[in-house]
Amino acid sequence: AQSVTQLDSQVPVFEEAPVELRCNYSSSVSVYLFWYVQYPNQGLQLLLKYLSGSTLVKGINGFEAEFNKSQTSFHLRKPSVHISDTAEYFCAVRTMNTGFQKLVFGTGTRLLVSP
Amino acid sequence: KAGVTQTPRYLIKTRGQQVTLSCSPISGHRSVSWYQQTPGQGLQFLFEYFSETQRNKGNFPGRFSGRQFSNSRSEMNVSTLELGDSALYLCASSNWRGQGTSGNTEAFFGQGTRLTVV
Repeated sequence: AQSVTQLDSQVPVFEEAPVELRCNYSSSVSVYLFWYVQYPNQGLQLLLKYLSGSTLVKGINGFEAEFNKSQTSFHLRKPSVHISDTAEYFCAVRTMNTGFQKLVFGTGTRLLVSP
Repeated sequence: KAGVTQTPRYLIKTRGQQVTLSCSPISGHRSVSWYQQTPGQGLQFLFEYFSETQRNKGNFPGRFSGRQFSNSRSEMNVSTLELGDSALYLCASSNWRGQGTSGNTEAFFGQGTRLTVV
């Protein structure tokens, strides 16, 4: 079975400051990794994904993440945040090679950007 | 290209009733998954369908069921509603092509159906 840990339930940050949202996972098989963002009363929007290849992945809205297999981590970063980045962020994993589309999510990190 | 469409967006039901939620995937997508999101339990996988077949099921009681039609549209049904079933129900579709094909796919989510049980 897989599990995802997002240790920070809430991260407050000032506008234009850098931010890192942490994600660690546990799995006995290889996984794909994803970050999703959810705005209030909305569904989930994919920010970025690691499927294979380069371990540094760039996504939408200036976000990037680095896959670290030895540390089983996939931390999300942004060098300069905007007020509009205030939202909930979810890290998720999916097993490779099974074809199953099931995502296992972390508990989410609420990013609060203030002026 | 239209995204994943879920109807209705909001629903209020009474304990003991049953409810049916609908999901229309992105055109061409044959894989549909359902998730329940609550403040206490977070995002939990309900089930997954591909070409009208349920491929995977989460750890939910039998009151939760679903199906997929030949046009890939999916419905989920919850019978004998309980207060704890109040949640945001999310549907996702992907363009996975079936066993033996690449798993390099991503899930696209709908806006969800907010179910309130009173």
